[in-house]
Amino acid sequence: KAGVTQTPRYLIKTRGQQVTLSCSPISGHRSVSWYQQTPGQGLQFLFEYFSETQRNKGNFPGRFSGRQFSNSRSEMNVSTLELGDSALYLCASSLDVRDTQYFGPGTRLTVL
Amino acid sequence: AQSVTQLDSQVPVFEEAPVELRCNYSSSVSVYLFWYVQYPNQGLQLLLKYLSGSTLVKGINGFEAEFNKSQTSFHLRKPSVHISDTAEYFCGEWSNTGNQFYFGTGTSLTVIP
Repeated sequence: KAGVTQTPRYLIKTRGQQVTLSCSPISGHRSVSWYQQTPGQGLQFLFEYFSETQRNKGNFPGRFSGRQFSNSRSEMNVSTLELGDSALYLCASSLDVRDTQYFGPGTRLTVL
Repeated sequence: AQSVTQLDSQVPVFEEAPVELRCNYSSSVSVYLFWYVQYPNQGLQLLLKYLSGSTLVKGINGFEAEFNKSQTSFHLRKPSVHISDTAEYFCGEWSNTGNQFYFGTGTSLTVIP
């Protein structure tokens, strides 16, 4: 089976812009979770989608949003980018949210 | 509140020496604990997980972890490390109340030749 893929792998944006990141889960996995990884903070949970519904959301501002499509592919969007949004954004897929999560390689976002 | 504490941010160790990466969890009821490894420029890969049963859990690449309820710890060990074990290691737990995984801040393991 193909693993979790994330596109693009690298992004450079400027403050105030918006960005959309994409995640394709492992075939058959219906749960997709997003995490922000920064040095010293580790991984922080953004949100989880299952069958096109957001079931859980972490403690992030409303500028961070996401969605899931009928084929389980997911996108996350960050609007009005800030310098502090620079991070590695990881997507993880699983059969359901409590099952083993399989991570993609991440999208490294740099905000200038 | 859920929290996972990784007690060492960096651990240098010589090749073929043993290593222990320390982790303390916070769940007071049922526990679901895990360790992931992240190699440079890659995503996270599951090393091992504990849900119930034997307190000694064996994982991939020769790693094992011991669940200790009285000390709320889940330390990761390997008897002899290799250069290829150089990576970032994350401990974490599942929260039944938050319905999400919580990760520690990571331990950077550097194996010195």
